[in-house]
Amino acid sequence: NAGVTQTPKFQVLKTGQSMTLQCAQDMNHEYMSWYRQDPGMGLRLIHYSVGAGITDQGEVPNGYNVSRSTTEDFPLRLLSAAPSQTSVYFCASSTGLAGIASTDTQYFGPGTRLTVL
Amino acid sequence: SQKIEQNSEALNIQEGKTATLTCNYTNYSPAYLQWYRQDPGRGPVFLLLIRENEKEKRKERLKVTFDTTLKQSLFHITASQPADSATYLCALISNFGNEKLTFGTGTRLTIIP
Repeated sequence: NAGVTQTPKFQVLKTGQSMTLQCAQDMNHEYMSWYRQDPGMGLRLIHYSVGAGITDQGEVPNGYNVSRSTTEDFPLRLLSAAPSQTSVYFCASSTGLAGIASTDTQYFGPGTRLTVL
Repeated sequence: SQKIEQNSEALNIQEGKTATLTCNYTNYSPAYLQWYRQDPGRGPVFLLLIRENEKEKRKERLKVTFDTTLKQSLFHITASQPADSATYLCALISNFGNEKLTFGTGTRLTIIP
């Protein structure tokens, strides 16, 4: 199993550009999430999905869109990039919501480092 | 407001000693607490989960304690090795039905040979 994969690894955008961060998992997990990680802030939840066709907002959803058409894929769209969206983005998946059962583990992808100029 | 604090940004420990990392929280009623390891340029990796009614959980050289009275979790690495050098994150899941992880900012641990 590849686990959770993310593309691209690095991206530089200009203010106002749009792009999609890709995330895929091959573990048949129902739950998937997007986080951003900024220095001194910890990981913050952007959007999450509890299954195909179902998404919801996390702590910092503004400026981002998501959709979940398949179990495997959960892309994150930046609509109009802003310098405040410069960050490292992590996608995660698990069998339970936030890994609340003892056998549940949240698996993170390797991250996408995004710079918005 | 709700807050999760990890005791320090960085911690240096001599090889072979026990490293102890602290996670304090305020205005939470956590159902579960998790610890993750994160290496530079990588995503976090899950290590241990402890429930509110569990005092202690062990896994090999790792031990986690959870004191809901003190609102604190301690993460111990015994017989520390340079390979244990990483950033360690704690994360809470609330009891109030908002079942999403909230992360601390992490402690960067360096084991000195």
